[in-house]
Amino acid sequence: EPEVTQTPSHQVTQMGQEVILRCVPISNHLYFYWYRQILGQKVEFLVSFYNNEISEKSEIFDDQFSVERPDGSNFTLKIRSTKLEDSAMYFCASSEWDRNEQFFGPGTRLTVL
Amino acid sequence: DQQVKQNSPSLSVQEGRISILNCDYTNSMFDYFLWYKKYPAEGPTFLISISSIKDKNEDGRFTVFLNKSAKHLSLHIVPSQPGDSAVYFCAAGIYNQGGKLIFGQGTELSVKP
Repeated sequence: EPEVTQTPSHQVTQMGQEVILRCVPISNHLYFYWYRQILGQKVEFLVSFYNNEISEKSEIFDDQFSVERPDGSNFTLKIRSTKLEDSAMYFCASSEWDRNEQFFGPGTRLTVL
Repeated sequence: DQQVKQNSPSLSVQEGRISILNCDYTNSMFDYFLWYKKYPAEGPTFLISISSIKDKNEDGRFTVFLNKSAKHLSLHIVPSQPGDSAVYFCAAGIYNQGGKLIFGQGTELSVKP
């Protein structure tokens, strides 16, 4: 069964450093997403991406964040200058269309020291 | 963002009995609702969805009920099995918002043998 994969599973970084989280969505899906879950809090939407453009983004997704689909398979989330409060689980998801169910990857745990 | 609420942080049920997980929402603009299950160290797994124009959707042991006038939905699991023990999230979306999902806080279900 096709699945969304994410690398790395755990990333530790120093405050102010740049990190890139990677995802391989399901191959025939057209919409890609990033969500995050801070420990003990809700899963929060960050951004959706379709046809090589951001489709929707939340207030959290400020200038420190960017997304890219550098090739036909990968989808990345970059945080330019990490802050302590960026520590969270980051989930990538994909769907066939924007109103279909989204399939989530296993997540990347980001720890900012 | 309190648009989707799951007021019960935990629920304990005997194996074979019915599990009922509840979710309330405040935004009458939501067009569709989904339930996800999440095990520790994994991403959310899609279970079942319902459009706002329906009041019931069934898939095997899982049934979702939607009461639009009360802005309430529930997930019924019959019969409950120990493998159903997980955190259950309800989520809601609006068409033409790029697939953005708003999640509830989650309810931890424990099914005891």
